[in-house]
Amino acid sequence: GNSVTQMEGPVTLSEEAFLTINCTYTATGYPSLFWYVQYPGEGLQLLLKATKADDKGSNKGFEATYRKETTSFHLEKGSVQVSDSAVYFCAAMYSSASKIIFGSGTRLSIRP
Amino acid sequence: DAGVIQSPRHEVTEMGQEVTLRCKPISGHDYLFWYRQTMMRGLELLIYFNNNVPIDDSGMPEDRFSAKMPNASFSTLKIQPSEPRDSAVYFCASSLALGGEYGYTFGSGTRLTVV
Repeated sequence: GNSVTQMEGPVTLSEEAFLTINCTYTATGYPSLFWYVQYPGEGLQLLLKATKADDKGSNKGFEATYRKETTSFHLEKGSVQVSDSAVYFCAAMYSSASKIIFGSGTRLSIRP
Repeated sequence: DAGVIQSPRHEVTEMGQEVTLRCKPISGHDYLFWYRQTMMRGLELLIYFNNNVPIDDSGMPEDRFSAKMPNASFSTLKIQPSEPRDSAVYFCASSLALGGEYGYTFGSGTRLTVV
């Protein structure tokens, strides 16, 4: 079946460092792709999305580009802050399915 | 918009007791999802509804779990009898429609502890 694979955490960075969290998806059709963020004690929040190849989603300084050739949707941020500490989930919705498939989540910790 | 509202935020119960979790979706959202999150298994979809009708309950772990949606503004997830392995955070989410243009809006979750 379809699946989403993201890099395992935890990821620990210093403030102002560059962030990349890798995500790949099963190349069946052309899913819509999402990144969700979960802050401690809260539910998941939609961070950004892309619905077709070469689209770039962006929000709060985070970016991710839908790469069909590498079936990837890596999350990047140029300069992280302590407030970015959270768990990040990559997700995909395939037209053949009626629900979003989530990756396992990557815990990010930023040191001051 | 108050978002998706779940209650209670925390629930501690004894093994064998009945537990009922509640969810109020965003008004106008046609889809409602129940998820369970644990360290070991991550985020699992239990069941989802469309226009108050259960569409896919293949993620419901066993007959002890049941979910209802009596109207467009309310859903419950019931565990009877509860067991320690049911301890988890349970999330409700709603969506305007299925499709790439829409994401899910999640509630803040109910942290269930069964002792």
